[in-house]
Amino acid sequence: DQQVKQNSPSLSVQEGRISILNCDYTNSMFDYFLWYKKYPAEGPTFLISISSIKDKNEDGRFTVFLNKSAKHLSLHIVPSQPGDSAVYFCAATKMNRDDKIIFGKGTRLHILP
Amino acid sequence: GAGVSQSPSNKVTEKGKDVELRCDPISGHTALYWYRQSLGQGLEFLIYFQGNSAPDKSGLPSDRFSAERTGGSVSTLTIQRTQQEDSAVYLCASSPQGSSYEQYFGPGTRLTVT
Repeated sequence: DQQVKQNSPSLSVQEGRISILNCDYTNSMFDYFLWYKKYPAEGPTFLISISSIKDKNEDGRFTVFLNKSAKHLSLHIVPSQPGDSAVYFCAATKMNRDDKIIFGKGTRLHILP
Repeated sequence: GAGVSQSPSNKVTEKGKDVELRCDPISGHTALYWYRQSLGQGLEFLIYFQGNSAPDKSGLPSDRFSAERTGGSVSTLTIQRTQQEDSAVYLCASSPQGSSYEQYFGPGTRLTVT
């Protein structure tokens, strides 16, 4: 039972354009959401997070949007750069229970020159 | 400072043998997680240690898998009687108390069962 779903296994975007990575979740108890970035042969690194009390969080070129009613979040990267080519994992947890983090299967982003 | 380290980085073993994978978390981090990533798959949660609480073992796929965390620091993931489907990258992560949601991952151990 996949509680965090990333339905696009891969995405290609032209350099300089906006990359939008999507994530859906099924558990309404989740109240904290994270995005991680992973390069080949390395462990994932934390990118950005958002609490369920917000609907947007921005950090430089990265913005995460949360739509609680739709149980959907998205990561926007603008402008996209070659170094953004990586696998992006969406993750969710129940912050008030200090619970484990559940990851999606990831989306491989290719930034095209 | 030092990040999360894992050893070995690569392990090739024969089907049926036991293996031990080691994780050294960041000093002072109270939470430690094990995940695995099979080819073409996402991060599969295995087990979670938080301080002195009983570990959350709900992700362990079978009783051949077990993990220990000694002294609240180093952790060992043991796979007994390995099978070919155990081949994957095993990732360890740690996080500090009060910020259990931003995990710091190690580079992983690539396990190949032949």
